[in-house]
Amino acid sequence: GNSVTQMEGPVTLSEEAFLTINCTYTATGYPSLFWYVQYPGEGLQLLLKATKADDKGSNKGFEATYRKETTSFHLEKGSVQVSDSAVYFCALSDMDSSYKLIFGSGTRLLVRP
Amino acid sequence: DVKVTQSSRYLVKRTGEKVFLECVQDMDHENMFWYRQDPGLGLRLIYFSYDVKMKEKGDIPEGYSVSREKKERFSLILESASTNQTSMYLCASSRGGTYRLEIREIQYFGAGTRLSVL
Repeated sequence: GNSVTQMEGPVTLSEEAFLTINCTYTATGYPSLFWYVQYPGEGLQLLLKATKADDKGSNKGFEATYRKETTSFHLEKGSVQVSDSAVYFCALSDMDSSYKLIFGSGTRLLVRP
Repeated sequence: DVKVTQSSRYLVKRTGEKVFLECVQDMDHENMFWYRQDPGLGLRLIYFSYDVKMKEKGDIPEGYSVSREKKERFSLILESASTNQTSMYLCASSRGGTYRLEIREIQYFGAGTRLSVL
């Protein structure tokens, strides 16, 4: 079945450091891929998405490229801020049901000043 | 902005109680979802609904039921709460089948209800 695997956290970085959060997926067909972010005390919100191979999603300085050959969708940011501290979830759309998203386990990011 | 509102941020209930979690969305979305969020397990889908009075089981429906009598409201019901249902519960909504897939795929989440069953 379809699944998403994320690197375990927490990831602790100093402000202005480079961020990578790894995400790999298993899926039939060509699902859309997503990164959602959950700030403390809030629900999830869409950070970025990519709908086909080699697409790059970007938002708020974050980027992720849909890599079909490595079945990956790693999240990157060149210079993190304290305000980026949150839990990040990688997800894919279930091709058998366009209603459903399949989420990874989440990666907590802590950015220290 | 889409707003998904969950009626309670925190709930404490006793084992065996019947528990209602309420969710309301204000964007006329056709689809609504209930997830539970547990550390190390991410989000797991409990139930979803694609129309009023329509529902489908998700990945972990056991011990839960749902109700959708109005388009904007989706309720999660724990018929007899148990300690293993202590969790964070998240409601979400999205556009339905008449929209392009890239629109339908985006889900909007409420802030969550943290339920403790003692």
